Amino acid sequence: DAGVTQSPTHLIKTRGQHVTLRCSPISGHKSVSWYQQVLGQGPQFIFQYYEKEERGRGNFPDRFSARQFPNYSSELNVNALLLGDSALYLCASSLYDWNTEAFFGQGTRLTVV
Amino acid sequence: AQKITQTQPGMFVQEKEAVTLDCTYDTSDPSYGLFWYKQPSSGEMIFLIYQGSYDQQNATEGRYSLNFQKARKSANLVISASQLGDSAMYFCAMRPGGGGSNYKLTFGKGTLLTVNP
Repeated sequence: DAGVTQSPTHLIKTRGQHVTLRCSPISGHKSVSWYQQVLGQGPQFIFQYYEKEERGRGNFPDRFSARQFPNYSSELNVNALLLGDSALYLCASSLYDWNTEAFFGQGTRLTVV
Repeated sequence: AQKITQTQPGMFVQEKEAVTLDCTYDTSDPSYGLFWYKQPSSGEMIFLIYQGSYDQQNATEGRYSLNFQKARKSANLVISASQLGDSAMYFCAMRPGGGGSNYKLTFGKGTLLTVNP
């Protein structure tokens, strides 16, 4: 079975641009979470979606938004990119929202220049 | 608010020896879950071990064990018989407990483990 897949794997954008990152959870998993990992830090929670509803939001500006589709895949959108948005963006899926284990994808490395 | 503290930025261990990675946490939630993840240079976060706050016994998964001391709010990871492939970044994390709670993981800053041959 395929694990969590994220696309693209690497991305370079210019300040002020918009970016869309995509995540496909493990088949049957209904919960998707997004994390931002800046170099040298642990991941920080951005959003969680379960059954297409937002279940949690971290301390990120409104430039960050996300959605979950009927097939449980998810998109993370970031508007008006700043240099500080350069990071590894990780997606995690779990079967339900209270499961003990979340499976992570390999991430999308975003560089803003 | 939940907080995870990992005080060891880097650790070195000889191959085949055991190593302990420290993690302390702070939370006001009555129930919670504690995790350890391994992150190799490829970037993927690999789940290692889980401990629930009400679990009576310390969790073990193969060469990994979690030394859970609730009164001290510590959840140290012990890796026995280290292997060269264990060289990676290790993160301690926690989430609120209880059924139906949102799946927000709070991570520490990580410990970079290097296994020497």
